[in-house]
Amino acid sequence: AQSVAQPEDQVNVAEGNPLTVKCTYSVSGNPYLFWYVQYPNRGLQFLLKYITGDNLVKGSYGFEAEFNKSQTSFHLKKPSALVSDSALYFCAALVLNTGFQKLVFGTGTRLLVSP
Amino acid sequence: DAGVIQSPRHEVTEMGQEVTLRCKPISGHDYLFWYRQTMMRGLELLIYFNNNVPIDDSGMPEDRFSAKMPNASFSTLKIQPSEPRDSAVYFCASSRSGSDKNIQYFGAGTRLSVL
Repeated sequence: AQSVAQPEDQVNVAEGNPLTVKCTYSVSGNPYLFWYVQYPNRGLQFLLKYITGDNLVKGSYGFEAEFNKSQTSFHLKKPSALVSDSALYFCAALVLNTGFQKLVFGTGTRLLVSP
Repeated sequence: DAGVIQSPRHEVTEMGQEVTLRCKPISGHDYLFWYRQTMMRGLELLIYFNNNVPIDDSGMPEDRFSAKMPNASFSTLKIQPSEPRDSAVYFCASSRSGSDKNIQYFGAGTRLSVL
């Protein structure tokens, strides 16, 4: 089955340190991959996407993600974390299911940035 | 732009009652999605529309759930009769055809509690 996995329920990092939120995927064909962020009591917000091209994708709020085809990974990164980055992060992949394209989301990783 | 607007933000009802959730997509967006988020199952796509027409409803859990989109600016998700296991946060999202079709904009969600 086509799916997205986020192996960590929570990631803890100190403010100013680099952060990585992990994501691996299992999809047919060329992957279309996305990261979304969810703040408390809010809907998901788009951060960035990988369709094709450069393996390092830059997005909103200083986030970037590295696509690695051999490892089927799409990890989210930021060089220097902020307390305000604390939120729930979702990786997603576009899959073809029953003839229709749809986004399949991972289970989410809670990022906690401490002051 | 006001973004995707959902109402109500919170709904508490008793088992067996009918529940109607409402969504106003972003103006100009021709795709509309309904998702359900629970701790156990994560974020699940229930149904999506394109140009007001339901395209894929394979995620609708059972006949108690129905969704309509009578025009480009309004959609409803109805549960009748509601059951405690329907308790979840329901999100509506919209997107626009073209290269950004798969960038979805989410509303703030409706938190449903069925007692």
